[in-house]
Amino acid sequence: DTGVSQDPRHKITKRGQNVTFRCDPISEHNRLYWYRQTLGQGPEFLTYFQNEAQLEKSRLLSDRFSAERPKGSFSTLEIQRTEQGDSAMYLCASSLGIGGQETQYFGPGTRLLVL
Amino acid sequence: AQSVTQLGSHVSVSEGALVLLRCNYSSSVPPYLFWYVQYPNQGLQLLLKYTSAATLVKGINGFEAEFKKSETSFHLTKPSAHMSDAAEYFCAVTGQGGNEKLTFGTGTRLTIIP
Repeated sequence: DTGVSQDPRHKITKRGQNVTFRCDPISEHNRLYWYRQTLGQGPEFLTYFQNEAQLEKSRLLSDRFSAERPKGSFSTLEIQRTEQGDSAMYLCASSLGIGGQETQYFGPGTRLLVL
Repeated sequence: AQSVTQLGSHVSVSEGALVLLRCNYSSSVPPYLFWYVQYPNQGLQLLLKYTSAATLVKGINGFEAEFKKSETSFHLTKPSAHMSDAAEYFCAVTGQGGNEKLTFGTGTRLTIIP
């Protein structure tokens, strides 16, 4: 069990560029979540998958954001036409099973800075 | 709808003193409650969770928390603080019936005074 991994750990981009982040969950975990954390705040939910199906998206997830989880394994989060307000830490988590009582295991995050 | 409120964005305690971090929740369904710790530039690590099995929950690193339904609270305690406890602590809630995303509080930064 190698834990949840995220790539890259840091990304600096210019406003208007597109960026893509990758998350590799713990193997066999069927649930995968994306959260966003801004400075001094707690993480905020963005979206989650059960296997390859995207089950819920937050209103925070504008149409510039898209997430996929092909084949129910790794997931990607793409931000198109980045804005300075997108600067944040993007966290991925995975869990085994369904239900709110299941522990979500977090990756180290991808820190995005939009200049 | 679910939410958590963490009272005190910054808490300082002396090494060896009691640690008390406060969390109150609001939930329209029976809640599951979590405490996570975050060290600088790292992800979140689970300290402990309440899933209705027992109201007093023991976690890692000597932390524990008690679920009090009448007070809608889930405060985190540790009898004796250690320098390595300095970090950001987040309380979070999910719930039964499809409420499976974590809703986090704004966090409490714990500083340990030598």
